[in-house]
Amino acid sequence: DGGITQSPKYLFRKEGQNVTLSCEQNLNHDAMYWYRQDPGQGLRLIYYSQIVNDFQKGDIAEGYSVSREKKESFPLTVTSAQKNPTAFYLCASSIGETGIEQYFGPGTRLTVT
Amino acid sequence: EDQVTQSPEALRLQEGESSSLNCSYTVSGLRGLFWYRQDPGKGPEFLFTLYSAGEEKEKERLKATLTKKESFLHITAPKPEDSATYLCAVRRANFGNEKLTFGTGTRLTIIP
Repeated sequence: DGGITQSPKYLFRKEGQNVTLSCEQNLNHDAMYWYRQDPGQGLRLIYYSQIVNDFQKGDIAEGYSVSREKKESFPLTVTSAQKNPTAFYLCASSIGETGIEQYFGPGTRLTVT
Repeated sequence: EDQVTQSPEALRLQEGESSSLNCSYTVSGLRGLFWYRQDPGKGPEFLFTLYSAGEEKEKERLKATLTKKESFLHITAPKPEDSATYLCAVRRANFGNEKLTFGTGTRLTIIP
């Protein structure tokens, strides 16, 4: 089955700790994205990557970091510098310029207390 | 700055009662307008891409249309399983700009 997987589904952390969210895709898509979803707000872009070993900041990159060492994987680290990390995090991928639709994973709900 | 506004915020319909959801947008050159369905606690599920004014796409009880300023998602004779939040997003036409701008969604409830 082709698709996007995110793990874990739920994640709980104490304030001050860094945490890494996993995103893997087996769709052979070139581009991958991280969004954050908060109640009453539209999805907001954190980071995106169009090719391996390259990524760009989105609208709300502060307090987050990413890497893209493999085409299939795009992990997101939420650092202690992120002021309001509790949110629903969504990973997406797209083919690239030949296909602009973005397909989403199931999401990770992060709670920081 | 690109903007997407969806209305209404919430809509309750009786089963079989057709209606439309609205997505108004402003973008500097539209590359595509997207509709997604999102169930509670899950990731958005892709429904449609519309590229230019006048375009229409259909899938089961859903039909999406596009003008130069807005898109409508028409739901015909809905069933309870159509209950979900429907999200609209736009992408600008700049090469290399991968960003989607999302609206806040319309939460649709179909009452049996």
